[in-house]
Formats: sequence, structure tokens, C-alpha cells
Amino acid sequence: GENVEQHPSTLSVQEGDSAVIKCTYSDSASNYFPWYKQELGKGPQLIIDIRSNVGEKKDQRIAVTLNKTAKHFSLHITETQPEDSAVYFCAASQTQGGSEKLVFGKGTKLTVNP
Amino acid sequence: DAGITQSPRHKVTETGTPVTLRCHQTENHRYMYWYRQDPGHGLRLIHYSYGVKDTDKGEVSDGYSVSRSKTEDFLLTLESATSSQTSVYFCAIKGGGETYEQYFGPGTRLTVT
Repeated sequence: GENVEQHPSTLSVQEGDSAVIKCTYSDSASNYFPWYKQELGKGPQLIIDIRSNVGEKKDQRIAVTLNKTAKHFSLHITETQPEDSAVYFCAASQTQGGSEKLVFGKGTKLTVNP
Repeated sequence: DAGITQSPRHKVTETGTPVTLRCHQTENHRYMYWYRQDPGHGLRLIHYSYGVKDTDKGEVSDGYSVSRSKTEDFLLTLESATSSQTSVYFCAIKGGGETYEQYFGPGTRLTVT
């Protein structure tokens, strides 16, 4: 089955700097790669996603890149702000009859220092 | 939380007792999922449903059963709770067709003593 590795497990940056979180996946059939942000005591919130037919996607300060050949994808956050501090999870899945069975990485705790 | 509620939000129970967690959605979405979240493991899929009375297992289904008698409700049952099932449980929903996005509920923190 699919296996997703996520690095680093913790990341500390200064406000205004960029942050990059990387994930690798094992199953070349995976075709959907979402990123979730989880704040303390809350459920994961979808912040951006990418499908395998796209190499890069951007939404304001957040971007995701996908390298299908190398089987890795990354989350880029620019101009970080203290409210970006949270745990971020990557995931991978393949479409099977419409049901996406997500396999998650173990998470990255991002701290943005003012 | 995308029209998803989970109940109870917190529960403490004893080993060997049955426990049922409820997920309720107001989005009329076809797909519903149960995940558990543990430190060092991220989120792992327990069971999912692709329609009323249609369910299937995820990667960590042992010790859990599910039922879906209505589109809006998806129940997760621990027949005989064990300490290893202490976790935070999240429900997620997904629309049908070409939609890929899953949206998560607020979670239920379950402690088995």
C-alpha cells in the first residue's frame, strides 16, 4: 500500500521568512495530494491540493509543487506570519471508484516566531 | 467545519465497554470517513462509507465497526474498548463525482481507562 514520508517533523522560522515542508510517496498510482493545517484542538483544515496532471499550484502565500518522477511534493509558505503556526499534514491518494482513501504523513509542527 | 458535527466531543470510558461515536453532516455528501489520530502516526483511516449501507475497511479497522443507515449519519462503534483505542477520532466527508476534497469535523477525544 501507499506510504507517505514527511519532513521535517518540526520547523521554526522567523516571521516573514519562507517555510518549506516536503513529502515523498511510494505508490506511483497516487494522483491526488492535499495539504492540511491543524490548529490545536481542531480538525484538519484543507489549505491547498494538487492533482497529478499539474506540476504546481499557488494560492496567495501558499504553493504546492509536485514531481511525479521523483514521487515527491512540497508545500511552500512565503512571508510567514504567527498565525501560520500549526501542524501541517500532507497526504496522498488514488481515485478508486470515487472514494479517496487518504494516506497521511506524520505531520510537521511549524512555529513562526514574531 | 464544513457542516460536520461529531458527538460526543469528549468521552472517558472503561476497558471492555462498548462505545459509539456519531458523525452528522448537513452537506448531503455521498462519502464519509472515520480516521484516528495518534502522536507520531498522523491520521489513519479506520472505515469509510460510499453510500447508505455501503461501507468498507481502512488500514486500521480491527476492533471497529461502522454503520450508515442515513446519508447524514455515520456511526463508529468500538464493541469492547481497549486502552490502545485511546485516540482522537475524526470524521470526514467528500462529495461525489469529480470532487476529491475531504473536509474534517472537529474530532472526538476518547480515553479508555
